[in-house]
Amino acid sequence: DTGVSQDPRHKITKRGQNVTFRCDPISEHNRLYWYRQTLGQGPEFLTYFQNEAQLEKSRLLSDRFSAERPKGSFSTLEIQRTEQGDSAMYLCASGRNNEKLFFGSGTQLSVL
Amino acid sequence: KQEVTQIPAALSVPEGENLVLNCSFTDSAIYNLQWFRQDPGKGLTSLLLIQSSQREQTSGRLNASLDKSSGRSTLYIAASQPGDSATYLCAAPGANSKLTFGKGITLSVRP
Repeated sequence: DTGVSQDPRHKITKRGQNVTFRCDPISEHNRLYWYRQTLGQGPEFLTYFQNEAQLEKSRLLSDRFSAERPKGSFSTLEIQRTEQGDSAMYLCASGRNNEKLFFGSGTQLSVL
Repeated sequence: KQEVTQIPAALSVPEGENLVLNCSFTDSAIYNLQWFRQDPGKGLTSLLLIQSSQREQTSGRLNASLDKSSGRSTLYIAASQPGDSATYLCAAPGANSKLTFGKGITLSVRP
């Protein structure tokens, strides 16, 4: 399968724990995005990478969130000291300049 | 700041009906607009990307149009089927090609 892959699909954690999600984009895509989606809402932009450089971060991305894309390949999104308000679907997307964005299946996070 | 609106939030139609889903956006300086489908608990599937130089884009029973001057796009679904039941989202790009999404229209096609 050559689509965008996200792991894990589901994550249940206790408040205060750290979690890390992984995204493997389509290999020839230089752009990678993270979005967050809550029930009944459209996805909201979190952060953007062009190759390995993180070029933009949303104000939604508090200091507890960090994202990396080493060597411009896969990306990780880490949330430290999780809060119940972090419960959401975390979506990764990749694409090339001015072309379609392709999304992964998402990681559904539940913070208890 | 780009804002994208999709109204109504939900729509229920009988099978076989042709239907139009509307999307409006505030910043008309866009170079394309993308429509997505989302099934419950799943990620987004890209349906159509329509470039600003195009007026329409077609894929099978789907047709998307874009009118930048009025800040509107429509997704036309011909001969709807129960399998078309899903949430349909439109998204307009801003700086760095990051997308601003509407809240989506949840479509239910009744057999």
